[in-house]
Amino acid sequence: AQTVTQSQPEMSVQEAETVTLSCTYDTSESDYYLFWYKQPPSRQMILVIRQEAYKQQNATENRFSVNFQKAAKSFSLKISDSQLGDAAMYFCAYTTQAGNMLTFGGGTRLMVKP
Amino acid sequence: DAGVTQSPTHLIKTRGQHVTLRCSPISGHKSVSWYQQVLGQGPQFIFQYYEKEERGRGNFPDRFSARQFPNYSSELNVNALLLGDSALYLCASSPGTGGYNEQFFGPGTRLTVL
Repeated sequence: AQTVTQSQPEMSVQEAETVTLSCTYDTSESDYYLFWYKQPPSRQMILVIRQEAYKQQNATENRFSVNFQKAAKSFSLKISDSQLGDAAMYFCAYTTQAGNMLTFGGGTRLMVKP
Repeated sequence: DAGVTQSPTHLIKTRGQHVTLRCSPISGHKSVSWYQQVLGQGPQFIFQYYEKEERGRGNFPDRFSARQFPNYSSELNVNALLLGDSALYLCASSPGTGGYNEQFFGPGTRLTVL
């Protein structure tokens, strides 16, 4: 079974600084998709960024970028120029090519200090 | 365009009762998935439906059931409620199955079992 592990229950960053959230996963599949989701206190989960395992290039979306290390099964999220609105729970998630389910990690609570 | 909607927002039940949660997907989306998020944890996959057929089932007891209607809306039913069923229940819709399809989440239904 696939598992996703987030080893940092909480992280804190100063506004305008950079922070990196860690995620590792376990799978025997060669093709799959990885995601970072953000869940603000209002609860609605939104997609931040995604990575296709067959792509070697790391995904980037504005201030958000990932470091995807397929051999190490590591998928970290870097947030640059942190903003107060970035404060939320962040979940790393995995799905296979079939995509019939998302497997989530336990989450990292990110606090942004003004 | 309206996003994924869920009803009710909050629900309080007692042990042994039955509950029905409802989800309306984004217009044009044919796949609906259900997740259970216990406080302080990542979401756990319950079901996925596509074109009214069950495409995936997570590790949940038979007390949990779901169905999808011709308009692609969905219901999640839980029988014989236990205290441990208290959680945020999330619905997600996507255009189809396949890992490349982004899942869009609703705001969730908060179920409290007393």
